[in-house]
Amino acid sequence: KAGVTQTPRYLIKTRGQQVTLSCSPISGHRSVSWYQQTPGQGLQFLFEYFSETQRNKGNFPGRFSGRQFSNSRSEMNVSTLELGDSALYLCASSLSPGQGSTEAFFGQGTRLTVV
Amino acid sequence: AQSVTQLGSHVSVSEGALVLLRCNYSSSVPPYLFWYVQYPNQGLQLLLKYTTGATLVKGINGFEAEFKKSETSFHLTKPSAHMSDAAEYFCAVSAYSGNTPLVFGKGTRLSVIA
Repeated sequence: KAGVTQTPRYLIKTRGQQVTLSCSPISGHRSVSWYQQTPGQGLQFLFEYFSETQRNKGNFPGRFSGRQFSNSRSEMNVSTLELGDSALYLCASSLSPGQGSTEAFFGQGTRLTVV
Repeated sequence: AQSVTQLGSHVSVSEGALVLLRCNYSSSVPPYLFWYVQYPNQGLQLLLKYTTGATLVKGINGFEAEFKKSETSFHLTKPSAHMSDAAEYFCAVSAYSGNTPLVFGKGTRLSVIA
């Protein structure tokens, strides 16, 4: 079956712009989580959605937001981009909430570069 | 709250040698523990996980890990390294319910020397 699909794979934006990243989970998976990966901070949890509801949110400013649609596809948005937002953004899907009780499958990520 | 410490940001081993990647965790509740691998320009792939039961967990690609509650450790081992094992490895923890986000360590980059 198809894996987790993240689009686009690479993105270059200018400071101050906004960006939207997309994640299509594995068919049948209703939980989607987002992580930011940087060399300095490692992997940090952004938020988790299940059945179109945000269940958990990490410690990120309000410029980072997300949503989930009825078909479980999810988008995350970053407004007023800063240089420090440059990172690999990873999406993970799982059957149920939380990434512990059921296996979380990760996409290849979107590499965002802010210049 | 949970946290993970991976000892050694970079480990280098010879092909055929033992691989040992160290992970210590802190958790206020019984943990679920995981090891993920990341190849360049790829997402994360689950190697193995401990939830309950047997403390020695076997995963894919010949890797295994042992949960030691007294030492709060979950070290990853493989008896004989292959060149294809070169990658970044992440240890992660979540609460025992599995109903909380994964908290990752900083990662350990494994190099395998021919």
